[in-house]
Amino acid sequence: EDQVTQSPEALRLQEGESSSLNCSYTVSGLRGLFWYRQDPGKGPEFLFTLYSAGEEKEKERLKATLTKKESFLHITAPKPEDSATYLCAVRPDNTDKLIFGTGTRLQVFP
Amino acid sequence: DAGVIQSPRHEVTEMGQEVTLRCKPISGHDYLFWYRQTMMRGLELLIYFNNNVPIDDSGMPEDRFSAKMPNASFSTLKIQPSEPRDSAVYFCASTERGNEQFFGPGTRLTVL
Repeated sequence: EDQVTQSPEALRLQEGESSSLNCSYTVSGLRGLFWYRQDPGKGPEFLFTLYSAGEEKEKERLKATLTKKESFLHITAPKPEDSATYLCAVRPDNTDKLIFGTGTRLQVFP
Repeated sequence: DAGVIQSPRHEVTEMGQEVTLRCKPISGHDYLFWYRQTMMRGLELLIYFNNNVPIDDSGMPEDRFSAKMPNASFSTLKIQPSEPRDSAVYFCASTERGNEQFFGPGTRLTVL
């Protein structure tokens, strides 16, 4: 069964304290792994798509990496405005739907 | 582009009433997805359409739920009759050629 597991469930960081969020997946063929950011009361906002092991993408303080079993979202020197829930999703072969993890709730304190 | 538009943003209704949620996808997108999000179950796919045709409705919880897409610019998700356990945030998302999905702001449904 296709499955996505994110860890930790919640993460509290001091401003400037770098860390990583994990997304482990089991899927019958991967057509893409997606990272989203969700702020309270809003819809998920697209961040990155990764397609193959070894691929990396960056945006400001965020960098996403992908292996054959998991993806990491690295946050370098986070700021309070990075506080949000980060969602990971996979798109299996032979389907156009995404399977989402339950997310990591990140809080960054000044 | 205005992005994905959903209405209403908030809906409060009583058990047994019919509820209709509406979605306008991004112009030019050929896929439309309906999701439900709760604290307990996270983000769950209910149904998705490609070129206005339902492709996978395996996530629709039961016969009380139905979805339509009469044209490329409009879709509805209907719950009849509604129950308290249907309370959740419902999201619509659209994409072009099955790539990254863009989500609307959601409809927060409360069934009393």
